[in-house]
Amino acid sequence: QVQLQESGPGLVKPSQTLSLTCAISGDSVSSNSAVWNWIRQSPSRGLEWLGRTYYRSQWYHDYASSVKSRLTINADTSKNQFSLQLKSVTPEDTAVYYCANDLTGALWDYFDSWGPGTLVTVS
Amino acid sequence: QSVLTQPPSASGTPGQRVSISCSIGSSDIVAHPISWYQQLPGTAPKVLMYRNDQRPSGVPARFSGSRSGTSASLAISGLRSDDEADYFCAKWDDSLRGWVFGGGTKLTVL
Repeated sequence: QVQLQESGPGLVKPSQTLSLTCAISGDSVSSNSAVWNWIRQSPSRGLEWLGRTYYRSQWYHDYASSVKSRLTINADTSKNQFSLQLKSVTPEDTAVYYCANDLTGALWDYFDSWGPGTLVTVS
Repeated sequence: QSVLTQPPSASGTPGQRVSISCSIGSSDIVAHPISWYQQLPGTAPKVLMYRNDQRPSGVPARFSGSRSGTSASLAISGLRSDDEADYFCAKWDDSLRGWVFGGGTKLTVL
């Protein structure tokens, strides 16, 4: 069973960069059949998929159009984790941030495991 | 653009059968499957149904999913008090090249 754990600061000032890490246990970030996602949830926006990274002989990334210009997702194979960096944050970016995976390799299947989530407040 | 529409609330009494709908409004040509997630208060979502009607191991048979064209639904039979939670549908949208979620349905067990 894959376990995921988010970590990062709980408070970020407006205009700064929000950085979070998702530690993976039970699988490899460079698995050829896994997809690693970031999702956030707020009362105003509900559940919102932000982006993903996956390895298929090379690294691929997809980003939601709403955050594409501000978001970078990277994988760190040495630490078996992946990260989120969201630039120029505003109070609208206040949310619980989750990392989640899809282990089927289909890229369109479902989110199999979720981290417990971490609340980030922009203020 | 893909939009998944769910009723904001649903309710039932213990033992009853309830159904939660997810209407799919999409220009997406490829009919990717719907997955359903249960979110208990203060916890992360958990997959309840995938590929429209497949239950992960550990999910009771009281939960069932179905899909017909642009409409999907999650049914819960033998309703229990611990089924009280928020339920979300989700699917991948090729035209958006992203995942979309329904707004969620808050299930109350009376």
